Amino acid sequence: GAVVSQHPSWVICKSGTSVKIECRSLDFQATTMFWYRQFPKQSLMLMATSNEGSKATYEQGVEKDKFLINHASLTLSTLTVTSAHPEDSSFYICSARVRKGTSGSLLTYNEQFFGPGTRLTVL
Amino acid sequence: DQQVKQNSPSLSVQEGRISILNCDYTNSMFDYFLWYKKYPAEGPTFLISISSIKDKNEDGRFTVFLNKSAKHLSLHIVPSQPGDSAVYFCAASALGGSSNTGKLIFGQGTTLQVKP
Repeated sequence: GAVVSQHPSWVICKSGTSVKIECRSLDFQATTMFWYRQFPKQSLMLMATSNEGSKATYEQGVEKDKFLINHASLTLSTLTVTSAHPEDSSFYICSARVRKGTSGSLLTYNEQFFGPGTRLTVL
Repeated sequence: DQQVKQNSPSLSVQEGRISILNCDYTNSMFDYFLWYKKYPAEGPTFLISISSIKDKNEDGRFTVFLNKSAKHLSLHIVPSQPGDSAVYFCAASALGGSSNTGKLIFGQGTTLQVKP
């Protein structure tokens, strides 16, 4: 099956520092990766869409200068939380999208495979 | 604006019985729907999906039903097993048309507990 890994699985940092989270698709190429954030007992909220070789598209309300996304290859996307503050403490999850299409059809089957998540705690 | 809603935060069923998890959506552009299972501190695991051209999709113990006119979908698990205990999220996407971003919009999740 399609496997997505994240590193680190958990991180504790001091307020004001920057933290980088890696998302890798291990056995497939992902032209698109997504970054989500989940607060306790809440839904997964999409933060940004990351396309290989281009700038990320951020959802409304997400600061692009604070959450830097780089998608340098078809198997790796990184999320850097810059100048982290305690309110940034959350569970960050990435997903990688596999596209399957029917020839000649605009309709594509949208399978996303999720990483195990990264627990960020900012002190 | 919550485009995908799971109005039941929790559900408890007896082992062997049917579990029915419900999900409603408001955006008529959604044409692809997915169910994910999630354990604490782990990423979601894909369970089953359905395209809007269908009204039912079955995979083993899991069946998803889609009622487009009501903008409602449900996940049936039968028979339920204790190992099914987890948080279940429904998600929706708009795939048709020239703009296919692949974005998934998630519901709030329903915690299912299957009692032995």
